[in-house]
Amino acid sequence: DVKVTQSSRYLVKRTGEKVFLECVQDMDHENMFWYRQDPGLGLRLIYFSYDVKMKEKGDIPEGYSVSREKKERFSLILESASTNQTSMYLCASSWDSLSLEQYFGPGTRLTVT
Amino acid sequence: AQKITQTQPGMFVQEKEAVTLDCTYDTSDQSYGLFWYKQPSSGEMIFLIYQGSYDEQNATEGRYSLNFQKARKSANLVISASQLGDSAMYFCAMREVGPPQGGSEKLVFGKGTKLTVNP
Repeated sequence: DVKVTQSSRYLVKRTGEKVFLECVQDMDHENMFWYRQDPGLGLRLIYFSYDVKMKEKGDIPEGYSVSREKKERFSLILESASTNQTSMYLCASSWDSLSLEQYFGPGTRLTVT
Repeated sequence: AQKITQTQPGMFVQEKEAVTLDCTYDTSDQSYGLFWYKQPSSGEMIFLIYQGSYDEQNATEGRYSLNFQKARKSANLVISASQLGDSAMYFCAMREVGPPQGGSEKLVFGKGTKLTVNP
């Protein structure tokens, strides 16, 4: 089975802190994605990557950066966390551009106080 | 720009009955894909069903079927014989089929419908 794991299920950080959210997939997928999910807004794409060291902005990249140094790992970075970044963060991966589905991790619920 | 609309914030259904969750989409692309995902209270997104824009038959996966009406740009999810475990958030999503890299894997999600199955 495809497995996508995220480093934390729950995280509480203070305003201004640098936050790292880690995502690891174990099936050699080419594509990886970071979404945030907010009530009433659905899932919105922050960044995605289709290869090591490659990244593309999604719909809401402001305030975030990403890193993909290895194929299996995709990190989301909040350089200076703010309260409006309190949200559920979901990581996903897929085989390649022709694959039908994305596989999601369990999510990280981040609270910034 | 792509857009997905789910007009039902919440739906209720009796156990063992069928339920339809609505989804309409907006795209100018000829080639695209439509997805439904389920999100239980545990938070993980679970892929349910896929429909390609050129597929002539409606997709089916067990108790799930997708009622695809291309001219109306709708892709409703039908769940037959509802079970208590079907209670969850359901998201409709769309993907454009573009060049091999640089965005063809992007999904655009609707805001979701919360389904509650009553015993």
